[in-house]
Amino acid sequence: ETGVTQTPRHLVMGMTNKKSLKCEQHLGHNAMYWYKQSAKKPLELMFVYSLEERVENNSVPSRFSPECPNSSHLFLHLHTLQPEDSALYLCASSQDAFGLSTDTQYFGPGTRLTVL
Amino acid sequence: AQKVTQAQTEISVVEKEDVTLDCVYETRDTTYYLFWYKQPPSGELVFLIRRNSFDEQNEISGRYSWNFQKSTSSFNFTITASQVVDSAVYFCALAGGSARQLTFGSGTQLTVLP
Repeated sequence: ETGVTQTPRHLVMGMTNKKSLKCEQHLGHNAMYWYKQSAKKPLELMFVYSLEERVENNSVPSRFSPECPNSSHLFLHLHTLQPEDSALYLCASSQDAFGLSTDTQYFGPGTRLTVL
Repeated sequence: AQKVTQAQTEISVVEKEDVTLDCVYETRDTTYYLFWYKQPPSGELVFLIRRNSFDEQNEISGRYSWNFQKSTSSFNFTITASQVVDSAVYFCALAGGSARQLTFGSGTQLTVLP
């Protein structure tokens, strides 16, 4: 595997389900990100992890819970989601843990989430 | 506050035409970085270019070229001799020292017709 991978690519879940999105980067990077992309809206940054520590949390509802067990893996745990949470969830990584905003971010293919 | 404006929501061209995607940005930082990403229907954002604010030289990579004009706060992207495979949403983005996150424009949907 190369680059940034995400699983699953598609997910349909009910409002009472619990599921997790997985992201893995094979680039040796030190920072990882979760973004939400809704129709007709700009990309929204949700979380940033640098060297496995959460450094940004952009007022995301608690029904989204990130986890970064090591610098190569990032999870997004989902529970009791709402239909408006349906979106494309993109993971990204970047090389430098300290130049977070200016470093090039490399993105995975995304998970298309539908909440019924 | 940082802002990126991509005024063209949708552009449609016929194959082999040249097309320019506009990007205008706002920032108070003197050091900043500009990016372009391509998002094909598959969903993945593909990195195209990163340019810092001190380098105003235009860049060419194959059929792609970028025109950075600090005086007008613009970083426009031109595709020469467009192809159907260029059909995608293109995002311009800005990163600077005062903001700890990448600011994306709303994207331009480019459709290249055969």
